[in-house]
Amino acid sequence: EAQVTQNPRYLITVTGKKLTVTCSQNMNHEYMSWYRQDPGLGLRQIYYSMNVEVTDKGDVPEGYKVSRKEKRNFPLILESPSPNQTSLYFCASSLSTGTRGPRGQHFGDGTRLSIL
Amino acid sequence: GESVGLHLPTLSVQEGDNSIINCAYSNSASDYFIWYKQESGKGPQFIIDIRSNMDKRQGQRVTVLLNKTVKHLSLQIAATQPGDSAVYFCAENNAGNMLTFGGGTRLMVKP
Repeated sequence: EAQVTQNPRYLITVTGKKLTVTCSQNMNHEYMSWYRQDPGLGLRQIYYSMNVEVTDKGDVPEGYKVSRKEKRNFPLILESPSPNQTSLYFCASSLSTGTRGPRGQHFGDGTRLSIL
Repeated sequence: GESVGLHLPTLSVQEGDNSIINCAYSNSASDYFIWYKQESGKGPQFIIDIRSNMDKRQGQRVTVLLNKTVKHLSLQIAATQPGDSAVYFCAENNAGNMLTFGGGTRLMVKP
């Protein structure tokens, strides 16, 4: 079954304690992306990756890091989490056609992070 | 910056009626648009997409219309069912590598 898998689904942690949210896809997609979803603000793109070893900032990259060492995995790293990073996070993947960016992304079921 | 927006935050329709969800975009360089459905507790689910060289595309019970003159996108759902109740998002790609999402419209289907 084609899917995007995020872990953990829920996490409550404290300010400053490094955390990683993993994302894996089994569709051999080139393009992967992280979004955060906040009430009233919709989905905002944090980082994206066009392919292995290629990552770029989205609209709200501050406080986040990503890596793309393998095609299937795209972890989101919060080196020093702060309360304003409390949010619902989604990973997504899709095929990309040359330089034309993402097409019809598949989303994971989300990770709800609470930073106290 | 330029962004995608929605006219109506909540739409309530009777089961069996047709639904129309609207979206306005401001970036004339956008060349690809997507509609997503998000059910409670789940990630957005791809519904249908359309390229800027088209003005209409149909799927199963859904139709997307694109009016580039007024920068307007709509999603039509035929014979709306209770399972269609969700939040619907439009998103645009402006020929770059990022997607910009609208704020979402909640569709409520009354039995």
